[in-house]
Amino acid sequence: SQQGEEDPQALSIQEGENATMNCSYKTSINNLQWYRQNSGRGLVHLILIRSNEREKHSGRLRVTLDTSKKSSSLLITASRAADTASYFCAGGATNKLIFGTGTLLAVQP
Amino acid sequence: DAGVTQSPTHLIKTRGQHVTLRCSPISGHKSVSWYQQVLGQGPQFIFQYYEKEERGRGNFPDRFSARQFPNYSSELNVNALLLGDSALYLCASSLGVSNQPQHFGDGTRLSIL
Repeated sequence: SQQGEEDPQALSIQEGENATMNCSYKTSINNLQWYRQNSGRGLVHLILIRSNEREKHSGRLRVTLDTSKKSSSLLITASRAADTASYFCAGGATNKLIFGTGTLLAVQP
Repeated sequence: DAGVTQSPTHLIKTRGQHVTLRCSPISGHKSVSWYQQVLGQGPQFIFQYYEKEERGRGNFPDRFSARQFPNYSSELNVNALLLGDSALYLCASSLGVSNQPQHFGDGTRLSIL
């Protein structure tokens, strides 16, 4: 079963704009992770935020976590055409990741 | 350093057959996890192995089994293949069991005819 859902399911923006994706999850987690997947390839880890953290930055990425609302958001600033991919959130439990349904991001040059 | 490698990259089988998928983790990683990704969905957890012991199992039938070898590589076996087993099978490795980023291979694309 999926952990939760990403919102929106699909997002199309112009290069240079910011992209925001939201994720809701269902169960208790130790951490929340975000991954990127290019078509037909494996997933690439982007960022991990622990359950006792509220915000984390990595380069052009900013992640927030609200455990009371069981939600997270991923902000990609100054997007590039190379950011075009599917983005997944995943709730980290003791021994597994439970993935959401993903957001398909298209960045138009 | 080499990333997670999976073999084969593509596989075509018929219903009722069995399949073995292989995974080599990043050097130094002792945990290997397997995921099934059906087209258009997020990956679903199948198994986690750490130090050659099963540490977690997802909601998959007993037709799915796995093992981890002393060199930390892993095999996923699926028996009595069904059409619904068609998917991308992903292997991920990490240093430890929990609170770790997972490093994924590019997967094995399994098609059942």
